[in-house]
Amino acid sequence: QLQLQESGPGLVKPSETLSLTCTVSGGSISSSSYYWGWIRQPPGKGLEWIGSIYYSGSTYYNPSLKSRVTISVDTSKNQFSLKLSSVTAADTAVYYCASIAVAGYNWFDPWGQGTLVTVSS
Amino acid sequence: DIQMTQSPSSLSASVGDRVTITCRASQSISSYLNWYQQKPGKAPKLLIYAASSLQSGVPSRFSGSGSGTDFTLTISSLQPEDFATYYCQQSYSTLLFTFGPGTKVDIK
Repeated sequence: QLQLQESGPGLVKPSETLSLTCTVSGGSISSSSYYWGWIRQPPGKGLEWIGSIYYSGSTYYNPSLKSRVTISVDTSKNQFSLKLSSVTAADTAVYYCASIAVAGYNWFDPWGQGTLVTVSS
Repeated sequence: DIQMTQSPSSLSASVGDRVTITCRASQSISSYLNWYQQKPGKAPKLLIYAASSLQSGVPSRFSGSGSGTDFTLTISSLQPEDFATYYCQQSYSTLLFTFGPGTKVDIK
């Protein structure tokens, strides 16, 4: 059973870079069956897709965040990572990682439990 | 970009009620529509994929329908554990995903 777990600092200063890692267990990040994605949710608000990556390194980003986002994959550690640069208070959110089915309809399942990142000085 | 809307934004219902949530896409997305349930403090959970396919382990009181631009999620008989926020998500744009704003279902 695939499981995902986010990790990283819970507090980031304005203008700095937010860095999170998602560790995949119960399966290989090199599987051809999945993409891997990041989604965020500001407190009390809805879900926003940030971007996705395939094990080969191909990336896909939300156009509204593309200039600040980098997603990478480390197949040796079964992990993928998110970097969001020049953060502001508006980037305060719970950040989720999830697997995305390659076949057909690209649903997100399963999700990690999420990690709250607060942007504050 | 494909925009998603949901209605209503919130609703109050009683246990046993039939509940219908609507999701609309800004352009035709065929059946590339997935539904999620999120409870407070928890990650979203996949309920329905490809507009009408029930995810394994999800109770059969949940159903999805629609294609093109208009979709519905129906809960045939609301149970106490169903009080949550529900999101739709389009996957028509190749690997450029968007979620609807959510519908909160609470207790009347």
